[in-house]
Amino acid sequence: GAGVSQSPSNKVTEKGKDVELRCDPISGHTALYWYRQSLGQGLEFLIYFQGNSAPDKSGLPSDRFSAERTGGSVSTLTIQRTQQEDSAVYLCASRITDTQYFGPGTRLTVL
Amino acid sequence: GQNIDQPTEMTATEGAIVQINCTYQTSGFNGLFWYQQHAGEAPTFLSYNVLDGLEEKGRFSSFLSRSKGYSYLLLKELQMKDSASYLCAVRANQGGKLIFGQGTELSVKP
Repeated sequence: GAGVSQSPSNKVTEKGKDVELRCDPISGHTALYWYRQSLGQGLEFLIYFQGNSAPDKSGLPSDRFSAERTGGSVSTLTIQRTQQEDSAVYLCASRITDTQYFGPGTRLTVL
Repeated sequence: GQNIDQPTEMTATEGAIVQINCTYQTSGFNGLFWYQQHAGEAPTFLSYNVLDGLEEKGRFSSFLSRSKGYSYLLLKELQMKDSASYLCAVRANQGGKLIFGQGTELSVKP
């Protein structure tokens, strides 16, 4: 069956521009997570959606970062006024029981 | 605070056994996960422990001691394709986010 998909796979942008990253979770999975992985660092939690509950935004590093999940399925992570330190791989995961299944990620490079 | 420690790098020989340790200090505990990540790819799920003891899955086993805040991943009959980063992660509450260690880069040599 289809796994978690993310687009684009790579994104190069200039400092100060806004970017949108998309995640399509596994069908039927009610929970969706965003993480980022910077070079040489572990995965860092950003935000978590569960059904109709208010999202857990505790990991968002600044107010330039936001995310939404439409119709309980697709999610978009938006980074406004990108900075060079935002360069990382952004990973999405979805879950229905205990295990989170990850997508291939979007590699964001901010020049 | 939240802290998960695992060795940065390990090297082992094809056909051998390797044990990757993980210690954790978190504000809550609702399960420990191990993921494998090949360079440039998504992390893939290996194992999940929520009770003390050993979980075995083919060539891979994972052990948990909640009282010691300790887990290990055991890989037997190592193959070259096992060269990857192994990520230890703790879930602090049911359904919630995973807190990851920095990962252990395993190199399997012939």
